[in-house]
Amino acid sequence: GESVGLHLPTLSVQEGDNSIINCAYSNSASDYFIWYKQESGKGPQFIIDIRSNMDKRQGQRVTVLLNKTVKHLSLQIAATQPGDSAVYFCAENRQEGSYIPTFGRGTSLIVHP
Amino acid sequence: DTGVSQNPRHKITKRGQNVTFRCDPISEHNRLYWYRQTLGQGPEFLTYFQNEAQLEKSRLLSDRFSAERPKGSFSTLEIQRTEQGDSAMYLCASSPPVGGGLLHGEQFFGPGTRLTVL
Repeated sequence: GESVGLHLPTLSVQEGDNSIINCAYSNSASDYFIWYKQESGKGPQFIIDIRSNMDKRQGQRVTVLLNKTVKHLSLQIAATQPGDSAVYFCAENRQEGSYIPTFGRGTSLIVHP
Repeated sequence: DTGVSQNPRHKITKRGQNVTFRCDPISEHNRLYWYRQTLGQGPEFLTYFQNEAQLEKSRLLSDRFSAERPKGSFSTLEIQRTEQGDSAMYLCASSPPVGGGLLHGEQFFGPGTRLTVL
């Protein structure tokens, strides 16, 4: 399943499928990007980050892709599980100064067993 | 649990009352951030401390809002004369010193304080 971020805030997938969550960022000067997962009633939890000198970074079952040309970020989750159900936020940041991220609106991921 | 803690978790108040929230960051994290989050939106930055110094404040932080971190450890966020528009989740996050901790810019969030203004 695939979302277009701000234009489709909910993504529903079947357990075991791969999920792709998209995000468009706005500031060309941003050089550090983070994906957060937020479960109901909890604060955001760091998932994975990527610096602007990279275009791909992999973690455990997650991959982040960065396309600086079109200012686009995506989060791929392999073999999606019910525990992955949450709202996912991308955030853009600078690697200097106060490291204050700007969060996108978020995409709700619903995983059906 | 050595994560970021926030108290209270929920607060219901009447319009016009003052409220104060507390955040206890992870030990040795010198950076502390306050955010506000409304339903369906990402967290919006309010203010930032490095140790006890308040270094940045958002335009969202009206003069009814004040934050302190007197000893560079815990922080408080006070809202005076609350309005219904103040109803939101107030999140606190902390991060370690640059170069001495984990990834640059990685922030550890607390569970938030949900404020409802009637």
